[in-house]
Amino acid sequence: TQLLEQSPQFLSIQEGENLTVYCNSSSVFSSLQWYRQEPGEGPVLLVTVVTGGEVKKLKRLTFQFGDARKDSSLHITAAQPGDTGLYLCAGAVGGNEKLTFGTGTRLTIIP
Amino acid sequence: GAGVSQSPSNKVTEKGKDVELRCDPISGHTALYWYRQSLGQGLEFLIYFQGNSAPDKSGLPSDRFSAERTGGSVSTLTIQRTQQEDSAVYLCASSLVGGRRFYNEQFFGPGTRLTVL
Repeated sequence: TQLLEQSPQFLSIQEGENLTVYCNSSSVFSSLQWYRQEPGEGPVLLVTVVTGGEVKKLKRLTFQFGDARKDSSLHITAAQPGDTGLYLCAGAVGGNEKLTFGTGTRLTIIP
Repeated sequence: GAGVSQSPSNKVTEKGKDVELRCDPISGHTALYWYRQSLGQGLEFLIYFQGNSAPDKSGLPSDRFSAERTGGSVSTLTIQRTQQEDSAVYLCASSLVGGRRFYNEQFFGPGTRLTVL
């Protein structure tokens, strides 16, 4: 069973601060995705990373896939209230289309 | 709309009753997934349909849970003899599987919030 542990589980910070969310596993994934979910809605895909060491930027969000493809991080610069939500990482193994989702990080940005 | 739709959005039922949850995936998507989410936590995989292949039912928590997908499109998740621990948000997702560029990108519906009294 592949498990994805996210940390921290909860994070509440002031607007304008920086933060990093981590997604760790003992398993190797062929690709890893990050989703954001807002209350009453389904998760929405933010990014997919597929190469060990890969870094992708989406405006103020920076995503990194670990060299060994077992972990990933999400860094947010100058957080804004609109960044508030539940952040979920999800990994896929080989050609299996089934994703394993992480435990989630609930982020609250205080204006 | 072009997104994944689910119905009902909310369902309140009494313990012991059966419920059916419906999912309409994005047209043309070959894969359909059901997940369960409790109290804003991570997603628990339930079942996965891909084309005409036998579904992957490895995540169904008990034999009270079943799902079918008719005509490769609409799916129904059925929970028989509901229990209070079945209370959760049930999410459906679809994806267009095939080709490296897609990498299993899943598109989610808004979910059905099930409350078992």
